[in-house]
Amino acid sequence: KQEVTQIPAALSVPEGENLVLNCSFTDSAIYNLQWFRQDPGKGLTSLLLIQSSQREQTSGRLNASLDKSSGRSTLYIAASQPGDSATYLCAVSGHKIIFGKGTRLHILP
Amino acid sequence: NAGVMQNPRHLVRRRGQEARLRCSPMKGHSHVYWYRQLPEEGLKFMVYLQKENIIDESGMPKERFSAEFPKEGPSILRIQQVVRGDSAAYFCASSGSGKEQYFGPGTRLTVT
Repeated sequence: KQEVTQIPAALSVPEGENLVLNCSFTDSAIYNLQWFRQDPGKGLTSLLLIQSSQREQTSGRLNASLDKSSGRSTLYIAASQPGDSATYLCAVSGHKIIFGKGTRLHILP
Repeated sequence: NAGVMQNPRHLVRRRGQEARLRCSPMKGHSHVYWYRQLPEEGLKFMVYLQKENIIDESGMPKERFSAEFPKEGPSILRIQQVVRGDSAAYFCASSGSGKEQYFGPGTRLTVT
């Protein structure tokens, strides 16, 4: 049974810092891994999707890596901004998506 | 190309009433997935449907919940005799022949 764990559960950092969010999963048989952002009371915004054959994806200040063999992914956010404050969800796909519980990120102005 | 559409966005029901949540997939998508996000919990898979077929309902509660995706029209998630514990955000996603799922904005159900 696939389980997805995200560490830390919450994180507060000063504006401008670089930071890393961690995700681990127990079953390496995945189609892809996706990072989402969710603002309070809102829907999901897809940030990055890494196919199972890929090692990383980049979009602007975001970089996500995938190591299937160890069951790990990281989301790197460079030069953090207050607008980055949100919950970040890691999700792995078989035919259904299994989500982690998220990391609540707060960027301090 | 409109994204995944869900309606209503907010739904209030009294205990014992029925709730019907609708999801229109992206154009050309024939796979629909429903997820539930309970307060302070993560998103959990409920059911996976293709047109007129339920493929995987392993995440659906055994009673009061049902889902359909008819040949014509949106996918419907139906909750009968709602209870306070059903209050949650319900998200729908769709996919085409590829594996990537695209999410709708969600329906927030409040049971009073």
